[in-house]
Amino acid sequence: QVQLLQSGAEVKKPGASVKVSCKASGYTFNNYNIGWVRQAPGQGLEWMGSISGYNGNTNHEQKFRDRVTMTTDTSTSKSYMELRSLRSDDTAVYYCARLRSSGGTNYYFDYWGQGTLVTVSS
Amino acid sequence: SSELTQPPSVSVSPGQTASITCSGDKLGQKYVSWCQQKPGQSPVLVIFQDNQRPSGIPERFSGSNSGNTATLTISGSQSVDEADYYCQTWDSRMMLFGGGTRLTVL
Repeated sequence: QVQLLQSGAEVKKPGASVKVSCKASGYTFNNYNIGWVRQAPGQGLEWMGSISGYNGNTNHEQKFRDRVTMTTDTSTSKSYMELRSLRSDDTAVYYCARLRSSGGTNYYFDYWGQGTLVTVSS
Repeated sequence: SSELTQPPSVSVSPGQTASITCSGDKLGQKYVSWCQQKPGQSPVLVIFQDNQRPSGIPERFSGSNSGNTATLTISGSQSVDEADYYCQTWDSRMMLFGGGTRLTVL
């Protein structure tokens, strides 16, 4: 069965960086993109960007473009999301999710990781 | 980019039909999916491609999409359906989420 297993919770100081990992299993990693979504406490879901499991091509939400780097390691079926210059309002649960496409503009997240809480505090 | 608008909350009595709307410019020309999120849990896909249910999702969940509005319908709502529901669509190489709707079954 498809599983996405994320790394554990992190506590960071303002200005630091965090790198969250997402290990995929139960499917061919190269065949799907991985998306990254965050959720601040008590707030809704916010898309950050996605990365191809095939060639590493990325696209990002504009607001994160200068601070986020998404990578993949096909040898371990892992995807990574690094967020730099952390601020207190980056405190959130960060999710990875498998991005499924059924053609054209039909994209959706069909499986989600368990989430990684990142707390930014001095 | 476009925005997706959902009502913050919807209430329904057990056994009744709940409808959660998602509005956006020309949304009917795009594909919409819906996910369910219970407190402290990861989201779960309940509808994709406007009206398709993934395996394991009860038949009481259905979806439609036309004009500027997509609708998630839960027929015969149960207490286990209490959750936050988010609509999503792909637009200009980006995923858009609605703000979420808290469904209360009481």
